[in-house]
Amino acid sequence: ETGVTQTPRHLVMGMTNKKSLKCEQHLGHNAMYWYKQSAKKPLELMFVYSLEERVENNSVPSRFSPECPNSSHLFLHLHTLQPEDSALYLCASSSGTATNEKLFFGSGTQLSVL
Amino acid sequence: ELKVEQNPLFLSMQEGKNYTIYCNYSTTSDRLYWYRQDPGKSLESLFVLLSNGAVKQEGRLMASLDTKARLSTLHITAAVHDLSATYFCAVVRYNNNDMRFGAGTRLTVKP
Repeated sequence: ETGVTQTPRHLVMGMTNKKSLKCEQHLGHNAMYWYKQSAKKPLELMFVYSLEERVENNSVPSRFSPECPNSSHLFLHLHTLQPEDSALYLCASSSGTATNEKLFFGSGTQLSVL
Repeated sequence: ELKVEQNPLFLSMQEGKNYTIYCNYSTTSDRLYWYRQDPGKSLESLFVLLSNGAVKQEGRLMASLDTKARLSTLHITAAVHDLSATYFCAVVRYNNNDMRFGAGTRLTVKP
């Protein structure tokens, strides 16, 4: 158990659905991240929040909408997704975004878009 | 653009043997990470390497960093079955929050 909890573990949704992924960290960290892990691509950074402010957005399509209401919680709101968005979505946290900070990952949400 | 390349992508080895996984990256970086991922599980941090010549060891794994060559290695000594997993290196550029991952090396250790 890394102290980063993601729900749900598995999600199947249609292209017209709206769903949200949730991440909660119990480590007192100040930075949180969303990563996408596809079968045929390296892990891709999607969003970074530091002290609840978004500091990085790697040109992610607008059908993915992050929300960070406080330093312990991070959401990824999904709407009108495409089948190619099927992947494992990993949340991570770190105590900061400075040098020598390592990431603590959650177990991920395996998303399937039909 | 920062690119991170690992090789090999797949590695099958016998127990008791030694082997090295390589991680090359394309631009200047101020830190390099190694992670392990077991099937169906999340990533676990193994090492953080911060400076040229840094070497860290834990158990049968040893990681090193050569910033001039832009190369990190993960050396496995006398492999055991429990080391079977996918190993990722990841690199962060100076003054940047973007951690770029390699494609991963899927290691299988056979009895």
